[in-house]
Amino acid sequence: EDKVVQSPLSLVVHEGDTVTLNCSYEVTNFRSLLWYKQEKKAPTFLFMLTSSGIEKKSGRLSSILDKKELFSILNITATQTGDSAIYLCAVGHVNSGYALNFGKGTSLLVTP
Amino acid sequence: NAGVTQTPKFQVLKTGQSMTLQCAQDMNHEYMSWYRQDPGMGLRLIHYSVGAGITDQGEVPNGYNVSRSTTEDFPLRLLSAAPSQTSVYFCASSYNPAGGNEQYFGPGTRLTVT
Repeated sequence: EDKVVQSPLSLVVHEGDTVTLNCSYEVTNFRSLLWYKQEKKAPTFLFMLTSSGIEKKSGRLSSILDKKELFSILNITATQTGDSAIYLCAVGHVNSGYALNFGKGTSLLVTP
Repeated sequence: NAGVTQTPKFQVLKTGQSMTLQCAQDMNHEYMSWYRQDPGMGLRLIHYSVGAGITDQGEVPNGYNVSRSTTEDFPLRLLSAAPSQTSVYFCASSYNPAGGNEQYFGPGTRLTVT
């Protein structure tokens, strides 16, 4: 059975801290791993990692994919209160029309 | 482009009622999906479609029907609403299967079944 497991489920940090969010997966016919940010509305896309792109960076956010150990991490440096959100990890595989298997998410709260 | 649109934004139903959640996209995406989101559960796939006339079940399809008569529209029908279907429903579409699975989400429909 396909599984996507995120940890921790929730996290509280102070502004300026660095956080690491984890996502492990067991999925047949893996195609890609995606990170989304959700702030009380629809998820918004952050990164997609595939065999041909196992490290991505955008500003203070970065992510790596370890296809051998079947996990990914999302790093956020110098956190800001605007980073408070639920971060969702999702894995796509070929067999389901490119739909996604989501983890339960990590709820991040950044306090001033 | 309007992207992915969903109607209604909010809906309250009584147990046993039926209704259709509408989803449309104007990006000419072949792939469309419906997810539900419950507290602490992430998003779970209900049904998906790889193109007009083709649909398939996801992880939690019971109690829901879909059809895809055009590329643009992918409505989700609740046949006989139950309190367990109280949730937030997201429609999503995807344009580049060869490049991966990036999906674009609609704003969601918050459904309450009493």
